[in-house]
Amino acid sequence: QSVLTQSPSASGTPGQRVTISCSGSSSNIGSNTVNWYHQLPGTAPKLLIYSDSQRPSGVPDRISGSKSGTSASLAISGLQPEDEADYYCATWDDSLNAWVFGGGTKLTVL
Amino acid sequence: QMQLQESGPGLVKPSETLSLTCTVSGGSISSSTYYWGWIRQPPGKGLEWIGSIYYSVNTFHNPSLNRRGTISVDTSKNQFSLNLRSVTAADTAVYYCVRHVLGQGDYWGQGTLVTVSS
Repeated sequence: QSVLTQSPSASGTPGQRVTISCSGSSSNIGSNTVNWYHQLPGTAPKLLIYSDSQRPSGVPDRISGSKSGTSASLAISGLQPEDEADYYCATWDDSLNAWVFGGGTKLTVL
Repeated sequence: QMQLQESGPGLVKPSETLSLTCTVSGGSISSSTYYWGWIRQPPGKGLEWIGSIYYSVNTFHNPSLNRRGTISVDTSKNQFSLNLRSVTAADTAVYYCVRHVLGQGDYWGQGTLVTVSS
């Protein structure tokens, strides 16, 4: 049972916009910034969004993050086949004093 | 460019101790800015934080591991290590070492699969 809640799956067709949500509580998302990772099969997770909405160098601006209260969202517009991956939200939890993750969302590009 | 590389046995027997080392290159592990941590991913499942060390001496561990984990740093070798005691099959996973600031991990190792089996 993950501390952060994500839908297990999401899908879209090329060119579409998809949104992946992440729900937490006041001790984690409500108190700290959210980070998003994507993971291709057999590879290490890669930081996609940090501090709620910031993109590391090299991440295209069609990928965006937002946060409101105890929930966060990752949006991918202009969906491309290479976006097919697992996506994880993560943040620090002040009550647990722990780095916590969502269970992951598998994005399928139809 | 910073790089992290995990090393250690790929097979550990039940009830024994899993020991992994992460070698950091391209930057100093003595930096006071960053945490150095371990994350694992059981086959087909999600990511789980194991624990981290900060400023070479302050450690944080996932409460769910019941104090089985110990993280230490060897600044002379620019390495940090994980010892996980009393392992069971449930500890079978790909183990990643990572540099992070709270929940933001910017550099990850490639991961190493550790199987717990007799």
